[in-house]
Amino acid sequence: ILNVEQSPQSLHVQEGDSTNFTCSFPSSNFYALHWYRWETAKSPEALFVMTLNGDEKKKGRISATLNTKEGYSYLYIKGSQPEDSATYLCASAHYSGGYQKVTFGIGTKLQVIP
Amino acid sequence: DTAVSQTPKYLVTQMGNDKSIKCEQNLGHDTMYWYKQDSKKFLKIMFSYNNKELIINETVPNRFSPKSPDKAHLNLHINSLELGDSAVYFCASSQDWGTSGRSEQFFGPGTRLTVL
Repeated sequence: ILNVEQSPQSLHVQEGDSTNFTCSFPSSNFYALHWYRWETAKSPEALFVMTLNGDEKKKGRISATLNTKEGYSYLYIKGSQPEDSATYLCASAHYSGGYQKVTFGIGTKLQVIP
Repeated sequence: DTAVSQTPKYLVTQMGNDKSIKCEQNLGHDTMYWYKQDSKKFLKIMFSYNNKELIINETVPNRFSPKSPDKAHLNLHINSLELGDSAVYFCASSQDWGTSGRSEQFFGPGTRLTVL
């Protein structure tokens, strides 16, 4: 069973603060790393898909980095806003039994306090 | 225009009944998935289909039977429902199988199943 871990599981930040959280995954047979944003009562929506060691992706105030050798990815949010409140899921894709299997972490629940 | 849709949104039923959840995607994707969000809020893969063909079956009890009449639809039929089947079930799709690990997944709104 593939272990994808996210930390912290939840955090509260003040509006305007920058924050970051971590996703850890096995580095063997790695294929891709996904980040999703999941607002309450909605469906997860993709933020980034990264594949190469050292990849950095950015979308507005949100960015992510990837280290495939040590098996971790960071998601950064600069100047958090209340609308950033959501659960951020990472998912790691690995080769397994001849195909790519995507395994999700439990998520980091972010609450931005106005 | 909804990309991935599921029906019903809520399903309340008695133990032992048989029920189905339908999923449709209008994105032209080749690959579709069913996930179960368990009591700890993990999203766990149940099945993956590519072009109507079963690719992944993650040790799900055989009371769960997916059916893909065409590549835009992946329905989930559950026989003899048990209390432990209560969960939120999400359907998702991604662009193609060969690189599906690198393709972002598009999720449906979820179906909350409650077994009494």
